Amino acid sequence: AQSVSQHNHHVILSEAASLELGCNYSYGGTVNLFWYVQYPGQHLQLLLKYFSGDPLVKGIKGFEAEFIKSKFSFNLRKPSVQWSDTAEYFCAVRSNFNKFYFGSGTKLNVKP
Amino acid sequence: ETGVTQSPTHLIKTRGQQVTLRCSSQSGHNTVSWYQQALGQGPQFIFQYYREEENGRGNFPPRFSGLQFPNYSSELNVNALELDDSALYLCASSPSQGSYEQYFGPGTRLTVT
Repeated sequence: AQSVSQHNHHVILSEAASLELGCNYSYGGTVNLFWYVQYPGQHLQLLLKYFSGDPLVKGIKGFEAEFIKSKFSFNLRKPSVQWSDTAEYFCAVRSNFNKFYFGSGTKLNVKP
Repeated sequence: ETGVTQSPTHLIKTRGQQVTLRCSSQSGHNTVSWYQQALGQGPQFIFQYYREEENGRGNFPPRFSGLQFPNYSSELNVNALELDDSALYLCASSPSQGSYEQYFGPGTRLTVT
């Protein structure tokens, strides 16, 4: 069965630290990849997406993600986190059968 | 621009009952998806509707059904409720069927007792 794995369930960082959140998926066909973020008290919102082309994609608020097809991974990165990045982050995959799969989320807590 | 809205906010039902949840998509969006999010888990895809037709379905039994209306609003119906159906139900709309970017609503919290 298709799945999305986020191995870090809870990450605690100090401001200015670098961030990398892992995401691996199990699906051999063509995929579209997403990272969503949910800030405290807010709705899920799109952070960035990969459809095709350059495997390094940039999103809002200085986030970026790299698609490595051979590793079935789409890790999220940010060079220097801020307190306002405290949120829950979800990796998601859309298969070419138009099904969407979300990971279980990573809670990021940035200490000021 | 009005975002995705869902009603009701909270709902309590008894096992075996039926429930209808409603979603108004963002203005100009013609595609709606529904998700179930259990506590501590990521959203699980139930199905997607595009132009009033089901356009993709996750691993949910037939007692989960939906409708999309000409104004692109949508309903999720769940029959024969089970305790495990207790969850947050999220609706998400997309600008077009090929866009795949989803804009989420606040969700409806369903509790089945």
